[in-house]
This record gives sequence, C-alpha cells and structure tokens, in this order.
Amino acid sequence: NAGVTQTPKFQVLKTGQSMTLQCAQDMNHNSMYWYRQDPGMGLRLIYYSASEGTTDKGEVPNGYNVSRLNKREFSLRLESAAPSQTSVYFCASSGVTGVRNQPQHFGDGTRLSIL
Amino acid sequence: GIQVEQSPPDLILQEGANSTLRCNFSDSVNNLQWFHQNPWGQLINLFYIPSGTKQNGRLSATTVATERYSLLYISSSQTTDSGVYFCAVHTDSWGKLQFGAGTQVVVTP
Repeated sequence: NAGVTQTPKFQVLKTGQSMTLQCAQDMNHNSMYWYRQDPGMGLRLIYYSASEGTTDKGEVPNGYNVSRLNKREFSLRLESAAPSQTSVYFCASSGVTGVRNQPQHFGDGTRLSIL
Repeated sequence: GIQVEQSPPDLILQEGANSTLRCNFSDSVNNLQWFHQNPWGQLINLFYIPSGTKQNGRLSATTVATERYSLLYISSSQTTDSGVYFCAVHTDSWGKLQFGAGTQVVVTP
C-alpha cells in the first residue's frame, strides 16, 4: 500500500533547465494537489486538480504547469527553472464524501535545488 | 484568504513533559488537520478534526469551530515527538489546505 509516491526524491537543476515532477496515488482519490515548502514556512498550494480532467491555480502558480494525466497521476512541470523555485515539493491526494472533504495524504516530497 | 496562526513558534520540552499547541483561524472552515513533520521531512497525518475531541495514544486534539481554534496536546513527550507540528484548514469544498507556519518542537532526553 504505497499511498502517494513522488519521483524523484532529490534533483539539482541549472537555471533555465526544465523538469517534470511526478506524482501517483493508489487510493482511488479524486483530488490531487501540489504544494511547495520553503525553509521555516508552512506549505503553500501551487496547483490542484479536483477531478480527472480539471486543474486550477492555487496560491503560488507562477512558473509552473500541471497535467492530470489520469485519475492516479498528477505531474508538475517547471519550464524554465529559477533559483526562487528552490524548495521542497509535496504532492497530496484526497477523496470527498458527501459535502465534507476527506483528509489529505502526502507523499514524501521532492527536494529541488536550482543553481 | 483565511489566516492560520500557530503558537508558540518554538517549544523545548524535557522528555516526559506535557504541552499544548494552539491553532487559531480567522474564518469558518470546512475541516482541519494536524500534521507532524518529522526530522526527515515526512508529513504524518495526526488528526482530521472539524470539531470535538479525538485521541490517539499520547496525542489528542480538540477543535472548537465556533470559536475558531484548535488545540493539540502532547502528553508524556518522547524524543521521537521532535519535529514541526502544522495545523492546516480546509478552505473550501475542493479541500484546499491553508497551512499555519508551524510549531517547532524539540524534546530533550
């Protein structure tokens, strides 16, 4: 029972390079999310996907794109990496029962450094 | 948007001590979660608690939604309790989470 799996776990990029972070969940959840965590701060939402085929911007979407490939997978792409995007990236998923959200479950994170 | 404030920002405990962490939020919320981020950076779900009180071993949580706060209690603390504790509120029906800045807890032997 893997839960939410993120790849890679670590990555170093040069400014201007592109990269895609992968996320997959095996809990049959409808909703998936991408967050970033900067030192000494809580997580901030980048993009989310409420269901397969839909994506929406969160609090800090600039410089990122996402793709909800299918119900299981939600990828985050940096088209032209900048040092300000150095962060730890977390993917999460959740289900919905009735009108109340279910808890979000998080992957182990991807530590991304941009030089 | 909703503001989430956690206190205290830092806490140093001697092993065996009890403590209370607080989370205040500025508006009504759909739901609330407490997480523990361990020293390896993993986010562990502790509680999913829109209201009332829940207990899990030495940890318990209480949310008073009408007064817009939640409390996390750690009893008989252990060194493995060290890490950062985050409160996060569900801001809408899509389940988006707004996180507080966290409480850094260090438990010394």
